Amino acid sequence: QQQVKQSPQSLIVQKGGISIINCAYENTAFDYFPWYQQFPGKGPALLIAIRPDVSEKKEGRFTISFNKSAKQFSLHIMDSQPGDSATYFCAAEAGGTSYGKLTFGQGTILTVHP
Amino acid sequence: DAGITQSPRHKVTETGTPVTLRCHQTENHRYMYWYRQDPGHGLRLIHYSYGVKDTDKGEVSDGYSVSRSKTEDFLLTLESATSSQTSVYFCAISASGAGAGYTFGSGTRLTVV
Repeated sequence: QQQVKQSPQSLIVQKGGISIINCAYENTAFDYFPWYQQFPGKGPALLIAIRPDVSEKKEGRFTISFNKSAKQFSLHIMDSQPGDSATYFCAAEAGGTSYGKLTFGQGTILTVHP
Repeated sequence: DAGITQSPRHKVTETGTPVTLRCHQTENHRYMYWYRQDPGHGLRLIHYSYGVKDTDKGEVSDGYSVSRSKTEDFLLTLESATSSQTSVYFCAISASGAGAGYTFGSGTRLTVV
């Protein structure tokens, strides 16, 4: 059962454009929402993360928007660059004694054309 | 990635044979995880460890076992490999296990023929 649904599966954006990736979750116990970036042949790397007590978090060109009532969160990449071309995963972690287990979305392959 | 090493990086094995993948960390992190990555499924948790000799099952644990006899090593064993276990396997480590994010290894690409 997929508790975190991610869309779109793939995304093509022109250089300088805005890339938007969306995720929706079902489990209301989730209280930590990280995004990971993965380049071919590499392991995923933590990009940015948010907790549900804030509606937005920005780090450089990357912004997470969070809508707790809708159980949705999204990643916005401003001024997208060819170097941003990668696979992006959203994830969610339940609080309490979850031991840090993450549930991942299906992934989005982002291609930024020069 | 720095501090976490997976071996082997690539392996081809025959159906029915046992296979062991190794994850080694030098960060002294308490929490370690094994995930598999398949197209359309993202990353799915196989097993995890919250200390030496403390392990538990994840979402897709059938056909897999793990062992952690010391902090730095977390072994994943496919007891009798099947073609459905062809995948890329990632190990991850976490310092606090809660809201800390992971550091992933570079992965092992396993092909079962």
